[in-house]
Amino acid sequence: DAKTTQPPSMDCAEGRAANLPCNHSTISGNEYVYWYRQIHSQGPQYIIHGLKNNETNEMASLIITEDRKSSTLILPHATLRDTAVYYCIVRGQTGANNLFFGTGTRLTVIP
Amino acid sequence: SQTIHQWPATLVQPVGSPLSLECTVEGTSNPNLYWYRQAAGRGLQLLFYSVGIGQISSEVPQNLSASRPQDRQFILSSKKLLLSDSGFYLCAWSPGSRFGEDTQYFGPGTRLTVL
Repeated sequence: DAKTTQPPSMDCAEGRAANLPCNHSTISGNEYVYWYRQIHSQGPQYIIHGLKNNETNEMASLIITEDRKSSTLILPHATLRDTAVYYCIVRGQTGANNLFFGTGTRLTVIP
Repeated sequence: SQTIHQWPATLVQPVGSPLSLECTVEGTSNPNLYWYRQAAGRGLQLLFYSVGIGQISSEVPQNLSASRPQDRQFILSSKKLLLSDSGFYLCAWSPGSRFGEDTQYFGPGTRLTVL
């Protein structure tokens, strides 16, 4: 599976959009981009995933660049409960079982 | 909707004692099941996964074992715990897919401290 690069930390004001970037320049054609988050002492929570097209659900939007080498997770109106570590994971058929959680981005939502 | 349960939530055990952690999934059938461990301040390490009853694959050789006695039940065990077994144990399930789009959903976790 392709590796990902994320900034170690970000701050966001409450009520504003949080834009979390992820680079995955070695992604291959059949690999999906997944986003999870982990709030302290809890299990990782699935947020969203995509292959080529932009995706949106009730939690967030995922914007994938046309060359698929990077993506951005958007939390449209961040709340204090969105403070967590966010993980961008690229996963394909060859890595069918293991999810590689790197260091992620620690998002702090500020009141 | 599907839900995943783990118990106990926290556990403190002495070195050399046995271990049994249980995970159950509701609202789905024939899921893939996974056990991960997360050491303090580190990423997740896949320990075992199962694609069906009685089918267990081990990713990391160690003194832990896993069993799947029922379709939606996954158990992590040890005969004798080591200090290094301390950590946050996570169970996950996925619907199963050959094509990489197989979302894993995690349980709340069990925090194990071995003293």
